[in-house]
Amino acid sequence: DTEVTQTPKHLVMGMTNKKSLKCEQHMGHRAMYWYKQKAKKPPELMFVYSYEKLSINESVPSRFSPECPNSSLLNLHLHALQPEDSALYLCASSRTGEKLFFGSGTQLSVL
Amino acid sequence: AQKVTQAQTEISVVEKEDVTLDCVYETRDTTYYLFWYKQPPSGELVFLIRRNSFDEQNEISGRYSWNFQKSTSSFNFTITASQVVDSAVYFCALQGIIQGAQKLVFGQGTRLTINP
Repeated sequence: DTEVTQTPKHLVMGMTNKKSLKCEQHMGHRAMYWYKQKAKKPPELMFVYSYEKLSINESVPSRFSPECPNSSLLNLHLHALQPEDSALYLCASSRTGEKLFFGSGTQLSVL
Repeated sequence: AQKVTQAQTEISVVEKEDVTLDCVYETRDTTYYLFWYKQPPSGELVFLIRRNSFDEQNEISGRYSWNFQKSTSSFNFTITASQVVDSAVYFCALQGIIQGAQKLVFGQGTRLTINP
């Protein structure tokens, strides 16, 4: 199994909603990542988890809350988002020092 | 700070032409990794190649080849005999270790269109 699975594939939410994005991998990778990609832009790093601990937070607003409940799962909890948060959210995983495997992303629209 | 520059925003060629995508990077690290990823319209980032800073050998994989030149901080990607299926956005990326974790920094991407 060399896949990173993200759910849902599409999400539409209002600014007062609370929702969660989910990411799962079974490759034994101990590093997991959240990236945000706006249209026609490169992916931008949001968070890095290493061995289930938050290693990097790229000054992301607190309305985005990551969680790594175990070595296979990564969640991104969303609350009180703004329309400018609409983007493709990509999850990735890797072994330390090796290539990142990316999921196909969740396309988020905030109304 | 780490930075990746892909000066070509868009490239359009006719099928079977050769095409080279440029990538220039900046880093103060002595050990780092360079990558190329392909992003088709489906959105998933597909890994193409990883090269470490100590390995300047060029690499060929089928119609794809990569030229790494440390002296000019460049890591260019060539597609030979391009095909319509090669149409995608291609990202060059630089990986360093920050706070004990890997950080992958992407260039702006080059949108490649192969016309039949």
